Amino acid sequence: QKEVEQNSGPLSVPEGAIASLNCTYSDRGSQSFFWYRQYSGKSPELIMSIYSNGDKEDGRFTAQLNKASQYVSLLIRDSQPSDSATYLCAVRGGRGAQKLVFGQGTRLTINP
Amino acid sequence: AAGVIQSPRHLIKEKRETATLKCYPIPRHDTVYWYQQGPGQDPQFLISFYEKMQSDKGSIPDRFSAQQFSDYHSELNMSSLELGDSALYFCASSLGLGDTQYFGPGTRLTVL
Repeated sequence: QKEVEQNSGPLSVPEGAIASLNCTYSDRGSQSFFWYRQYSGKSPELIMSIYSNGDKEDGRFTAQLNKASQYVSLLIRDSQPSDSATYLCAVRGGRGAQKLVFGQGTRLTINP
Repeated sequence: AAGVIQSPRHLIKEKRETATLKCYPIPRHDTVYWYQQGPGQDPQFLISFYEKMQSDKGSIPDRFSAQQFSDYHSELNMSSLELGDSALYFCASSLGLGDTQYFGPGTRLTVL
């Protein structure tokens, strides 16, 4: 079992709809959670970070964290074709861990 | 805003050759991380440095070594290259340990 699991998709969503991306992690001591967006052949670009239970909103993006269920999600409202990319969930463990452990990524396609 | 700089952006080597990848962190960032991303894979953590000292080590082959210099730039040295080393190599930087990591554009290494 991977430490960080994502549905690899592809996930297809019509333009203007809400895209919902999910991620689970196995290290219960994990402290920091990130969503990165990666276009093909490009570097991961930070979308959101979240550290405590609940929701965090930034523009069209909302990250949700539930540590009890070891679950992180990203909602993208009013999806645009430019949102089409692979979304990587990344987790940094506890106990002073520094490395990010990534999920395999969810490929999202927004259909005009 | 200044970002992480990596050079070269593309590198082609023959098997058993050596390669050196360079990373210049965001100004004032003192922590550097190296990740390897194979085709269709998620980024895998290799090694990190904080204040010029190795701070964490991941799945870095013994054929690879890295260091961080007094100006905080880092170099990843790869020897006895194998076909399987062909990948995107990303450097990320952060302001201190445990802070958000920002990724550079990557170096695409092709081993023939």
